[in-house]
Amino acid sequence: TQLLEQSPQFLSIQEGENLTVYCNSSSVFSSLQWYRQEPGEGPVLLVTVVTGGEVKKLKRLTFQFGDARKDSSLHITAAQPGDTGLYLCAGGRNFGNEKLTFGTGTRLTIIP
Amino acid sequence: ETGVTQTPRHLVMGMTNKKSLKCEQHLGHNAMYWYKQSAKKPLELMFVYNFKEQTENNSVPSRFSPECPNSSHLFLHLHTLQPEDSALYLCASSQGRASTLPYEQYFGPGTRLTVT
Repeated sequence: TQLLEQSPQFLSIQEGENLTVYCNSSSVFSSLQWYRQEPGEGPVLLVTVVTGGEVKKLKRLTFQFGDARKDSSLHITAAQPGDTGLYLCAGGRNFGNEKLTFGTGTRLTIIP
Repeated sequence: ETGVTQTPRHLVMGMTNKKSLKCEQHLGHNAMYWYKQSAKKPLELMFVYNFKEQTENNSVPSRFSPECPNSSHLFLHLHTLQPEDSALYLCASSQGRASTLPYEQYFGPGTRLTVT
């Protein structure tokens, strides 16, 4: 089983601050997704990256796939209370392969 | 709105009960999954179905029995569970095998199960 380690495990910051969450593995993935999960709900897909070095932006969220496709980062600018949740990364091995490897998760709390 | 629904949202059952969880997807997908999410643990894949065929059983105890009558519906039958089975059970769907697209899963809201 290929593990995806996320760091930090917990993060609590003030509204308006910036933060970065990391997702690391020793394995290469063909694609990587980021999900956000709010309490009592299922994970919601935020973005998919497939090319080494790829950067995608979703409003105040910036996602990057590592050049070697083994790691990814999520940067949030000017965090807001609505960003609070559990952030999960998930790696896919092959297109058309139905299994994903999920990361250990980062629980983010934004304090108003 | 995720397009994947799960019922019930909450379930409390005794160790001798038999119950079933239901999942339905309205996305036209061909693959469906059951995951278990416990506190302080990563998401644990339990079962995968592709075009109604079970393609993955991740060493799940036999007290959990999945059923996939068609590509839109997935059930998880529960019997003689243990208190440590208490968790959030999530259903997900995706395009499935033979898709040429990056693999993306869409989740339902989950069933919070408590075994007493």
